Amino acid sequence: EVVMTQSPATLSVSPGERATLSCRASQSVTSKVAWYQQKPGQAPRLLIVAASTRATGIPARFSGSGSGTEFTLTISSLQSEDFADYYCQEYHIWPPTFGQGTKLEFK
Amino acid sequence: EVQLVESGGGLVQPGGSLRLSCATSGFTFSSYSMNWVRQASGKGPEWISYISAGSDHILYADSVKGRFTISRDNARNSLYLQMNSLRVEDTAVYYCARRAGYGNDYFDYWDQGTLVTVSS
Repeated sequence: EVVMTQSPATLSVSPGERATLSCRASQSVTSKVAWYQQKPGQAPRLLIVAASTRATGIPARFSGSGSGTEFTLTISSLQSEDFADYYCQEYHIWPPTFGQGTKLEFK
Repeated sequence: EVQLVESGGGLVQPGGSLRLSCATSGFTFSSYSMNWVRQASGKGPEWISYISAGSDHILYADSVKGRFTISRDNARNSLYLQMNSLRVEDTAVYYCARRAGYGNDYFDYWDQGTLVTVSS
């Protein structure tokens, strides 16, 4: 199975700043990567599919990029509601696998 | 509005059994493949089981194969997970999650999750 490695484990950013989260796959997953946001006590929320397509209702400040083995989630100007855990997931090779997450916290 | 509501979690001793249920509404349940995904505390999610729309294709993660059984009732718009021979390492929040569509094995809707604790 594909191992998805996220970095950093924790990212401290101030509101209004830009946040860049990384995800690396252990082998090529083409562009089949999804990103999720998870707040404490809640289910993951789908943000990005196909590496760069925002899911329905996701604000434009969220963007994704990458292909092959390197992927990035960027939040252009952090809002208070964006401080959460973020997970990448590949769906090119079965079984689908998730990264261990990046915690985005207030600086 | 798509809704998934899960029930059945709780505390169980090692070797015990639990059955999770996920009631759905707001979409044509019989047209979608469904999954169970779990998340141990402080960890990333882990996919554990898949069932196709017509129940003709079922898959399990190696970690639960032979112990867990996924099923669905399209007439009741419900998904189930029978968990037997539970181990301490099965302790996690369990989610039912809808597969987005054919060829797209990501999860577009999740329920609120239910905690399963396996402990003596």
